[in-house]
Amino acid sequence: EVLLVESGGGLVQPGGSLRLSCAASGFTFSNYWMHWVRQVPGKGPVWVSRINSDGSSITFADSVKGRFTISRDNAKDTLYLDLNNLRAEDTAVYYCARGVVGTLSYFDYWGQGTLVTVSS
Amino acid sequence: DIVMTQSPDSLAVSLGERATINCKSSQSVLYSSNNRNYLAWYQQKAGQPPKLLIYWASTRESGVPDRFSGSGSGTDFTLTISSLQAEDVAVYYCQQYYSTPLYSFGQGTKLEIK
Repeated sequence: EVLLVESGGGLVQPGGSLRLSCAASGFTFSNYWMHWVRQVPGKGPVWVSRINSDGSSITFADSVKGRFTISRDNAKDTLYLDLNNLRAEDTAVYYCARGVVGTLSYFDYWGQGTLVTVSS
Repeated sequence: DIVMTQSPDSLAVSLGERATINCKSSQSVLYSSNNRNYLAWYQQKAGQPPKLLIYWASTRESGVPDRFSGSGSGTDFTLTISSLQAEDVAVYYCQQYYSTPLYSFGQGTKLEIK
């Protein structure tokens, strides 16, 4: 069974930092592109970042470029998202999701999400 | 950037009746080289992550009941639930994956029981 489990969310002050993790199991993690998608409760999902299977290709949405970093450890089957210089508008549930077909991909499995709240 | 617009924003349908949700993209998501529409549909129940229902606009994901179907091409797409069941109450989202890296989603359609 494919399982994605996020952790690391919490309450942080504006300008602060967090590291989110996504532990994967039930599939060969190193074969898949992985993504982070966030969602403000009551709103539609918004794609944040992606990383290819070996970590050599990384892309971010303009809204987080320069502030967020994505990485992966294929030996540990884990995806990461480092959130820096956080703003109130970064408050959301953050999901990791598995991409199916390279760059032009829908997302076939999602984690349960971890809530990030940016507030003073 | 491709903008995805769904209609209606909310919908109430009687049990056993048909539910239809529309999704319009601001530009075509049909890839002419392979004649595929890069459009997916997701279902999100309260407190849960989105669940993939349909991809390539009309291919049902494994395990999804056959009462769910997707249609359309180019810029206009439809998700149809042929006979609404109580467990289908959810918010439904369309997503384009034609123009990346911005994998844009629609704003969602909330489906309820009448």
